[in-house]
Amino acid sequence: SQTIHQWPATLVQPVGSPLSLECTVEGTSNPNLYWYRQAAGRGLQLLFYSVGIGQISSEVPQNLSASRPQDRQFILSSKKLLLSDSGFYLCAFSSLAGGWETGELFFGEGSRLTVL
Amino acid sequence: AQSVAQPEDQVNVAEGNPLTVKCTYSVSGNPYLFWYVQYPNRGLQFLLKYITGDNLVKGSYGFEAEFNKSQTSFHLKKPSALVSDSALYFCAVRDFGSGNTGKLIFGQGTTLQVKP
Repeated sequence: SQTIHQWPATLVQPVGSPLSLECTVEGTSNPNLYWYRQAAGRGLQLLFYSVGIGQISSEVPQNLSASRPQDRQFILSSKKLLLSDSGFYLCAFSSLAGGWETGELFFGEGSRLTVL
Repeated sequence: AQSVAQPEDQVNVAEGNPLTVKCTYSVSGNPYLFWYVQYPNRGLQFLLKYITGDNLVKGSYGFEAEFNKSQTSFHLKKPSALVSDSALYFCAVRDFGSGNTGKLIFGQGTTLQVKP
């Protein structure tokens, strides 16, 4: 079965410190991968997506970056965190069946980042 | 541009009563529509989707949704609400605007409160 793991679950970091959130997917190959951010428990904003190793597309200009060093690994990073980077970060992958996308995304359990 | 709207921030319903959470969409072409549920501090869980076929789609936990092309709506329904259904619900539409990237555009979410 296809599963997704995301860590750490919670993180408290000072302003100006670096960030690394990691996401791995199991049970599938060459999935599309996504990082979303949810602010104030409401709507989701797509930050980055990747359709293959080393292929990263950014949706909004920001203080964050993403990398995909392996097929099923997606990392969200920052060199220097800002207060505005606080939020709930969700990793997701596109569901595949028989090599074809089924349309829906499956999400990890999220990483709550608090920048102080 | 493709978009999805959830006109209600919150829906309140008594346990045992039917519930409806509203969603309208705007897309060019045929829509791929989705519903997700989120419990506090958790990731999003996929409930159901409409891609093609019957307008009434059945999903997890007794939920269903009706696709109405003329009204551009995809309302989520359940015949008898449970207290445990209380959560944040998101409607989403697939973004075909930038090719086959599988991106989803989410509504702002509707909080469902089911009272005993």
